[in-house]
Order: sequence, then C-alpha cells, then structure tokens
Amino acid sequence: GENVEQHPSTLSVQEGDSAVIKCTYSDSASNYFPWYKQELGKRPQLIIDIRSNVGEKKDQRIAVTLNKTAKHFSLHITETQPEDSAVYFCAAPRGSNYKLTFGKGTLLTVNP
Amino acid sequence: DAGVIQSPRHEVTEMGQEVTLRCKPISGHNSLFWYRQTMMRGLELLIYFNNNVPIDDSGMPEDRFSAKMPNASFSTLKIQPSEPRDSAVYFCASMMGGDTEAFFGQGTRLTVV
Repeated sequence: GENVEQHPSTLSVQEGDSAVIKCTYSDSASNYFPWYKQELGKRPQLIIDIRSNVGEKKDQRIAVTLNKTAKHFSLHITETQPEDSAVYFCAAPRGSNYKLTFGKGTLLTVNP
Repeated sequence: DAGVIQSPRHEVTEMGQEVTLRCKPISGHNSLFWYRQTMMRGLELLIYFNNNVPIDDSGMPEDRFSAKMPNASFSTLKIQPSEPRDSAVYFCASMMGGDTEAFFGQGTRLTVV
C-alpha cells in the first residue's frame, strides 16, 4: 500500500494567506521527511526537510512540523505569494536503502 | 557538477517502437531513481538502484519496461514495445544516500502516438 498519504490534493488561497499541507506515513522507522516543490514544466526540487530528532524547522516563510507519535508532518507557508503556486510533494523514505516514494502531490494556487 | 542529465528531453515515437531513456547521475551519488509522472497518477517510482544494483522494481508497470545501470555514471530505462498509455514525463533522480536531498534531472517528455 501507499507509504505516504498527502492532503489536500488541491488548495487555493488568496495572496498573503497561509497554506498548510499535511502528510501521514505508515513506517515508524522513517526518520527523514523532505518536501519538494515542482513548478509548472519544471523538475521537483527540495525546499525543506526535517529529521525525527526535531519537531519543527523554519526557513523564512516556510516551516515543517513533525509529530512522530501520530505519524504525520505538515508544510506551512505563510504570507503566500503568487510564485508559491506549484505542486508540492512530501516523502518519507523508508528502509535501509531509503526507497524514495512521494505523496500524490498538492496543487497550490495563490490568487493575487 | 552539471547536475543530473537526462536525454532526450523530448521523444515522440510510434506505438510498437522501442524507446530508450538515458540518465547520468551526479558524480558520487550512490542511489538512482526512475519516476514516471502523469496527471492521473502523480510521481510514481518505477525502480531504484543502490550502488548500481537494482533494489526494488515493484513499480515497473509490466515486462515491457526494463532498466539497467551498468556503471555508477549511467542508467537506461527501456520500453519495448511502447504504447500510447506510456506517454508521460519520465524523471531520473540521484542522491548520495540516506537522508539527503534527491536531485532530479529535467525529465524526458515521451509521447507515443
């Protein structure tokens, strides 16, 4: 079955609002949780990641929170801008060989 | 380093033809992944290699798909025979292993007519 479930599949916000995307994972052995951003027609690129020894990590307007007990982690984007519009993917690499599978993705649209 | 390099960038082929996609990972990276991306199915992992050895090919859709990694600097994904439903963007990615960033190539847009 799926290792990672991602919600919502689409998200539309007004410029300046916050956006939150949530992922749940199944393998309790996972300890690294990256988020990738894919702009239209481009390749996915890492924007932020978190390891299981911390509960939150911030990088300017982007933050990721992790709840290992509940097995979920979330991406938070504050003060959204039109250039934040993209598809966002979460992942929870698992196994000793780090099988890198992604959630289904969230299409974020920031309306000016 | 120029990053992960994929070729060709675009491929249009007729149904039944053989298609070969190529990938050069970043030097020093020991994990390589092949993905297929479509609107309906998202970013699907097809197969991945660790130190040139195929670890998990459970995502390969059927026997028409095969992948090889003869050395640390080159991998191929082959579809034979191709079908219209194989039309998608195929990405290759490499990483140093473990909990590190995966770097994607620019992708190959495959169209089978």
